Amino acid sequence: DAGVIQSPRHEVTEMGQEVTLRCKPISGHDYLFWYRQTMMRGLELLIYFNNNVPIDDSGMPEDRFSAKMPNASFSTLKIQPSEPRDSAVYFCASSLVRGGTYEQYFGPGTRLTVT
Amino acid sequence: AQSVTQLGSHVSVSEGALVLLRCNYSSSVPPYLFWYVQYPNQGLQLLLKYTTGATLVKGINGFEAEFKKSETSFHLTKPSAHMSDAAEYFCAVISNTGNQFYFGTGTSLTVIP
Repeated sequence: DAGVIQSPRHEVTEMGQEVTLRCKPISGHDYLFWYRQTMMRGLELLIYFNNNVPIDDSGMPEDRFSAKMPNASFSTLKIQPSEPRDSAVYFCASSLVRGGTYEQYFGPGTRLTVT
Repeated sequence: AQSVTQLGSHVSVSEGALVLLRCNYSSSVPPYLFWYVQYPNQGLQLLLKYTTGATLVKGINGFEAEFKKSETSFHLTKPSAHMSDAAEYFCAVISNTGNQFYFGTGTSLTVIP
């Protein structure tokens, strides 16, 4: 398996622009998670999905952030409009809870820089 | 509610010395515990996990961890540090429902040649 795939790996954009991050989870996994990592705040859970349905988005910082999972093999995290404080590394992770393996598998991350 | 506390945000050891990274957990149910490693500019990678059974768990790269219920601890150890072990290490506990991780704040390990 190719693991969790994220694109792009790096994104540099100007304040006010729309940013879309993409994730392809491991085939067969039933949970998908979006995290944000910064030096100041560490690793933060933004939102997670179960069988393509958003379960908990309480970690999404504000309305500028939105996430979708239109099917089992694709998810997006969108920021509109972007701000410099959104600069961070965004990780996608997937897991298989049904069957009890539980561990999360992380993608390589997208490093977002907003100028 | 579940949570983990990692004692020491930075740990330095000499090459060949014992590595000990501390993790204490809080859980209202029997915990499932995990250690992840993050190398620079990479995602988190599972090192090892404890679910049930043997309390001493062996992972990749020579690491192991022991679940001690009486101490609510899950410390990570490696007998002899290697330069390639320099990375950020995260302890995590899983939620009651098994679908969400609670990560510690991480420990940055430096290996001195």
